[in-house]
Amino acid sequence: GESVGLHLPTLSVQEGDNSIINCAYSNSASDYFIWYKQESGKGPQFIIDIRSNMDKRQGQRVTVLLNKTVKHLSLQIAATQPGDSAVYFCAETSRSSYKLIFGSGTRLLVRP
Amino acid sequence: DADVTQTPRNRITKTGKRIMLECSQTKGHDRMYWYRQDPGLGLRLIYYSFDVKDINKGEISDGYSVSRQAQAKFSLSLESAIPNQTALYFCATSDFMGTSGGPVSYNEQFFGPGTRLTVL
Repeated sequence: GESVGLHLPTLSVQEGDNSIINCAYSNSASDYFIWYKQESGKGPQFIIDIRSNMDKRQGQRVTVLLNKTVKHLSLQIAATQPGDSAVYFCAETSRSSYKLIFGSGTRLLVRP
Repeated sequence: DADVTQTPRNRITKTGKRIMLECSQTKGHDRMYWYRQDPGLGLRLIYYSFDVKDINKGEISDGYSVSRQAQAKFSLSLESAIPNQTALYFCATSDFMGTSGGPVSYNEQFFGPGTRLTVL
């Protein structure tokens, strides 16, 4: 079946450095992608989204890049802070699906 | 904020018991979802509902049932709990609008805080 996966299960970065979390998707029909952040004991929280007609979208300290050629998503976090420590999920969907398919998640650890 | 609430937050039960997890939302969304999360895995969809009269199975519905009592309430039941149903359960809601301010149809979902269920 179609799935969304992640390359790195755990990423450890120094506070202040930039973080890059990667995700591969396999459904070429997916046209909308979301990054979620899940802190311990909480539900996933929306961070940023991107449509398939875009290559890049920026938020406050986050940037999502989409490479449709290789079916790859990345989430870049600038100047990583301790509060960024969490598990990050990518998810994909399409107009025809109405359902989200989640990747397995990457844990981001920020070292002081 | 508590737009999506789940009760209970934690539950320990025994094999064979019937369990109900409840979800309520104040976002006014029509669509509601139940997911299951296992350690090291992403969220998997159990059931979803697009309105009170529209309930659909997700990818892992066996052993579960749901009830959409009202637009704001969506309950998940385990008729006879078994140990491999030990997991974290999340309820989510969505409207038929994306956050990008563009055309409708994108499916941003808002999640509750989760219920940790342990079946002994």
